[in-house]
Amino acid sequence: GEDVEQSLFLSVREGDSSVINCTYTDSSSTYLYWYKQEPGAGLQLLTYIFSNMDMKQDQRLTVLLNKKDKHLSLRIADTQTGDSAIYFCAESIISGAGSYQLTFGKGTKLSVIP
Amino acid sequence: DGGITQSPKYLFRKEGQNVTLSCEQNLNHDAMYWYRQDPGQGLRLIYYSQIVNDFQKGDIAEGYSVSREKKESFPLTVTSAQKNPTAFYLCASSISGANYEQYFGPGTRLTVT
Repeated sequence: GEDVEQSLFLSVREGDSSVINCTYTDSSSTYLYWYKQEPGAGLQLLTYIFSNMDMKQDQRLTVLLNKKDKHLSLRIADTQTGDSAIYFCAESIISGAGSYQLTFGKGTKLSVIP
Repeated sequence: DGGITQSPKYLFRKEGQNVTLSCEQNLNHDAMYWYRQDPGQGLRLIYYSQIVNDFQKGDIAEGYSVSREKKESFPLTVTSAQKNPTAFYLCASSISGANYEQYFGPGTRLTVT
């Protein structure tokens, strides 16, 4: 079955780097996503990586994918107080009906200390 | 401005009443989804629809119903059969038929007492 796991909490000081880790189980995942959720709001797509890539960089965000270990990480450089939010890892899998679905982790709450 | 709207933001109901949550999108997306979010539980898929007049059960469909009469709209009804309806409900949409990212609405917080 599909399962995506993340640690629930992370606390960092402003200006430091944050690394949020995620493990997934479905080796047929084609895309893996990172979403950000601010309090009381919907999810905002931050970035995604295709499963045949090892790394993707987008400004302060770096995504690393180790497909052998089914491990995904999101690094936020120079973390700011505005980065405080819950970060969800998600894998895209094909359902029995032939459509793509997302399976989400439980989310990592990032707290940035000024 | 393209996007997904959900209304209302907060909804209160008495136990035993059905309630319908609205979701509208003007992104011209074929696929739409409903998720439920509970604290510490992440998102769980309730129903999804890949095309008008067709929808599929997700992981936790019991006690919920949906309709997809128009491409833009995918309302979710929380019925009295849902044992623990109090939660944050999120609607999303995406391009169908391929592996595209989902765009989320702002959510509706439902409280049933």
